[in-house]
Amino acid sequence: SQTIHQWPATLVQPVGSPLSLECTVEGTSNPNLYWYRQAAGRGLQLLFYSVGIGQISSEVPQNLSASRPQDRQFILSSKKLLLSDSGFYLCAWSVGLAYQPQHFGDGTRLSIL
Amino acid sequence: QKEVEQDPGPLSVPEGAIVSLNCTYSNSAFQYFMWYRQYSRKGPELLMYTYSSGNKEDGRFTAQVDKSSKYISLFIRDSQPSDSATYLCAMSAGAGGTSYGKLTFGQGTILTVHP
Repeated sequence: SQTIHQWPATLVQPVGSPLSLECTVEGTSNPNLYWYRQAAGRGLQLLFYSVGIGQISSEVPQNLSASRPQDRQFILSSKKLLLSDSGFYLCAWSVGLAYQPQHFGDGTRLSIL
Repeated sequence: QKEVEQDPGPLSVPEGAIVSLNCTYSNSAFQYFMWYRQYSRKGPELLMYTYSSGNKEDGRFTAQVDKSSKYISLFIRDSQPSDSATYLCAMSAGAGGTSYGKLTFGQGTILTVHP
């Protein structure tokens, strides 16, 4: 069966520091991969999605970037974090060209000080 | 106007009650409708998935879609304390074109079932 891993689970970073969050999927090939951010009391906002290695689409211009160096690995990065980057970051996957629902990891809670 | 509107609650019910959760939407291109359950400090877990209008039942859960009214519901029968969580509705126009299965979420309803 498929599983998704995100780490770290919790992260506290100072303003201006870099960021790297990692997500890996097991048990499937060529998944569609997604990064979301969830702010307190709000729904999930799609940040990036990828349909293949090296293919990244950005939904919202911001201080973050994403990369997909391997088929089942998705990385969220920033060169200099802002206070507004605080939130709960979730990675999700789906498979297939026809629509299939997305499945989420357990997220990284990021606090910027 | 948000594409998807969901009453954030909170909603508090006694154990055994029937719970009704609802979302309305404005984008007529949405064809796929999902309900996710999210426990505190965890990622959303897919609960129900339906395509187009109609009902779908899975155990104590029933998902209902009315595309003509742009309205979806989730019913929970015989609610249990373990059902206490945030429930998120989500919708998609599908995987074709440039949407790539993009999900649009409601803001979530916080549900508490007390013994």
